[in-house]
Amino acid sequence: AQRVTQPEKLLSVFKGAPVELKCNYSYSGSPELFWYVQYSRQRLQLLLRHISRESIKGFTADLNKGETSFHLKKPFAQEEDSAMYYCALRAMDSSYKLIFGSGTRLLVRP
Amino acid sequence: ETGVTQTPRHLVMGMTNKKSLKCEQHLGHNAMYWYKQSAKKPLELMFVYSLEERVENNSVPSRFSPECPNSSHLFLHLHTLQPEDSALYLCASSQGRNSPLHFGNGTRLTVT
Repeated sequence: AQRVTQPEKLLSVFKGAPVELKCNYSYSGSPELFWYVQYSRQRLQLLLRHISRESIKGFTADLNKGETSFHLKKPFAQEEDSAMYYCALRAMDSSYKLIFGSGTRLLVRP
Repeated sequence: ETGVTQTPRHLVMGMTNKKSLKCEQHLGHNAMYWYKQSAKKPLELMFVYSLEERVENNSVPSRFSPECPNSSHLFLHLHTLQPEDSALYLCASSQGRNSPLHFGNGTRLTVT
């Protein structure tokens, strides 16, 4: 079965500290991985996807197939990064289905 | 108005009521989705409509009935719901299977 696990419900860091939001997945085939973000009073939106290999708002994520992980990282957190972050997986053989993790709330304190 | 719009924003209904949630997208996308977001649970895909297929999560009870009259509109018809159906219902759209989802703001449903 396909599954996405985000082990931390809440991650609290100080401004300027490095951030790593963990995401592990369970899927035997070739997955496509995403990070979605929801800022306060805004709708859920795409942050980045692994096939793009790009950095968005200073965030990066590398797909590690050996560890089945797709952790989201940022070297220096900013207060405006405070939000809910959701990791999601799309299985290549049923590609309309996007499976989400339970989310991690990131709180960046001044 | 652009983007994905959901109405109503909030809905309170009794277990014997019949109501419908509406979603409209102005992005020219060809696939639309219903997700359910319950407290402390991951977003759960309920239904997908696209040009090629309709995908249904087999665990969704029949008291939820989707309707997609065209590529811009999606409805979720509700009848004889249970209190455990109280949740945030999110609509999303995408352009094909390989593009990211664009979400609406959701409808907060409370079943009393």
